[in-house]
Amino acid sequence: QLQLQESGPGLVKPSETLSLTCTVSGGSISSGVYFWGWIRQPPGKGLEWIGNIYYNGNTYYNPSLKNRVTISVDTSKNHFSLNLSSVTAADTAVYYCARDGEAVAGTFGYWGQGTLVTVSS
Amino acid sequence: QSALTQPRSVSGSPGQSVTISCTGTSSDVGAYDYVSWYQQHPGKAPKLMIYDVTKRPSGVPDRFSGSKSGNSASLTISGLQAEDEADYYCCSYAGSYTYVLFGGGTKLTVL
Repeated sequence: QLQLQESGPGLVKPSETLSLTCTVSGGSISSGVYFWGWIRQPPGKGLEWIGNIYYNGNTYYNPSLKNRVTISVDTSKNHFSLNLSSVTAADTAVYYCARDGEAVAGTFGYWGQGTLVTVSS
Repeated sequence: QSALTQPRSVSGSPGQSVTISCTGTSSDVGAYDYVSWYQQHPGKAPKLMIYDVTKRPSGVPDRFSGSKSGNSASLTISGLQAEDEADYYCCSYAGSYTYVLFGGGTKLTVL
């Protein structure tokens, strides 16, 4: 059974960079079939797509976050990562990693449990 | 690009049917058959309930169904059960610039 697990600091200072990793088990990112993504949810609010990555490193970003987001993949470790720079309190959210379908389509069939990241000094 | 538009809340009694709407534009919902629906219980990760407008992942009851007409999509839940009480989000592919859009979410209350 495919499992995804987010990891990273739960507290980040304003203006710094938020960094999270999603480790995949029970399946291989390098299979090249699926796309892998990050989605976030501010407390009490809705879901926001951050971006996707393919096993070969091709990335697809939310235009509203594109200037601050970098998603990368390490197939040797079977994980992919999120960096979000110049964070503010508005970036406080539960961050989820998930597996999309065979295209960038918003068809996220497998999700991590989510990790709360708070931006505060 | 703005999020897809959903009603903030809907409600129904056990056994009844409810429909949740998701309104987009001709650049997203109306342009592609890549509409999905997610169920989210408090404190939990979202769960995929419908994808490609009408398809159900394995394990999702056939009480859940999806449809689309023009720029709007709908999720219908028939035979409402207490465990269906949750937040529901629609999602659509929106082309090769915006890529993925979510709706604002709808809270379903089972009376």
